Amino acid sequence: GESVGLHLPTLSVQEGDNSIINCAYSNSASDYFIWYKQESGKGPQFIIDIRSNMDKRQGQRVTVLLNKTVKHLSLQIAATQPGDSAVYFCAEKPPSNTGKLIFGQGTTLQVKP
Amino acid sequence: EPEVTQTPSHQVTQMGQEVILRCVPISNHLYFYWYRQILGQKVEFLVSFYNNEISEKSEIFDDQFSVERPDGSNFTLKIRSTKLEDSAMYFCASSPRTDQETQYFGPGTRLLVL
Repeated sequence: GESVGLHLPTLSVQEGDNSIINCAYSNSASDYFIWYKQESGKGPQFIIDIRSNMDKRQGQRVTVLLNKTVKHLSLQIAATQPGDSAVYFCAEKPPSNTGKLIFGQGTTLQVKP
Repeated sequence: EPEVTQTPSHQVTQMGQEVILRCVPISNHLYFYWYRQILGQKVEFLVSFYNNEISEKSEIFDDQFSVERPDGSNFTLKIRSTKLEDSAMYFCASSPRTDQETQYFGPGTRLLVL
């Protein structure tokens, strides 16, 4: 069946360090990927996205890397701050015109001061 | 900055009752979605809606669920006869158009079925 998975359920980092959150996706035909951040009691908040014709995309303090060969997606957060503490989900969009997103299980990022 | 809004933030209902969850998508968006998240689990797709009709629904979205866009601003999810396992956070999302696929999520409605 369809699934998007995350390698680690919890990641603990020191404030100021870089964080890397990984994701494995299952549908090699997926053409669009998004990282969302979810704080406790809130809805998923868009962080960054990438299309399948790209390998890397950078935002402010965040970088997403896509390796289609091994169906792997990663989110890098530079100089991690306490406000980055949240659950991070990757989501993939299989090819369709309906917009359905398939979410992974989520990685909890804990930033230690 | 425009946001997706949802009401109520919390809803408690008795098993077998009907509930309507309401959403106001971002105003120039054309695609609307409902997702749910059972406590501690991942977000799951329920349904997508475009041009006043369902474009895709998941196997979770059975006959007890329905969606409607009753006017130009609201998008609702109705659960006809709630079950205990319907207890979850329900998120509405919207996106502008097919070539702008980023979906923006609302804050969610926490539904508790007793």
